[in-house]
Amino acid sequence: KNEVEQSPQNLTAQEGEFITINCSYSVGISALHWLQQHPGGGIVSLFMLSSGKKKHGRLIATINIQEKHSSLHITASHPRDSAVYICAVGGGSRLTFGEGTQLTVNP
Amino acid sequence: ETGVTQTPRHLVMGMTNKKSLKCEQHLGHNAMYWYKQSAKKPLELMFVYNFKEQTENNSVPSRFSPECPNSSHLFLHLHTLQPEDSALYLCASSPPGALTRDFGDGTRLSIL
Repeated sequence: KNEVEQSPQNLTAQEGEFITINCSYSVGISALHWLQQHPGGGIVSLFMLSSGKKKHGRLIATINIQEKHSSLHITASHPRDSAVYICAVGGGSRLTFGEGTQLTVNP
Repeated sequence: ETGVTQTPRHLVMGMTNKKSLKCEQHLGHNAMYWYKQSAKKPLELMFVYNFKEQTENNSVPSRFSPECPNSSHLFLHLHTLQPEDSALYLCASSPPGALTRDFGDGTRLSIL
């Protein structure tokens, strides 16, 4: 069993739908990242959070430290949101990554 | 455009070839990383360099040989690779000890 589990593995939505991607982890962490990887391969950081909730535009990330669980929400989804979303947890200077969730948003 | 540049973006090589992947960053970071991303698998850390010194080798086969001549440049020398080495190889950088990472766009490697 991976230390970082994401669900679902694949997600297809219609434009405008509200999307939730979940991440559960089994190790102690100091921070959790949500990353976005586009088909070309490059990875960009969306959020780093250690408690509570963060919002950036249509993206919202939450974390529950006690339950070792985080969610990434996308409101009013758009085809340009289609990408792989990766959860990564950090302790010390090491990051452990989930397998990613492939999101496809259809027009 | 990212602060971390990787070349080439795509590489096809035979099992007996020798090639090198290059990574360059101008973010002022002193830690650099190589990651391997295989299909449907999480990113795997391969090597870590801090201030040009290798501080972590995650049990990587010797057919992968990293080199870090200065804090801005990182290479991955490839020799006698196997088909299972086909993957996306990602370079990243960070301030030393930080949990943040700035990633390059990766090199898509295919071994024939």
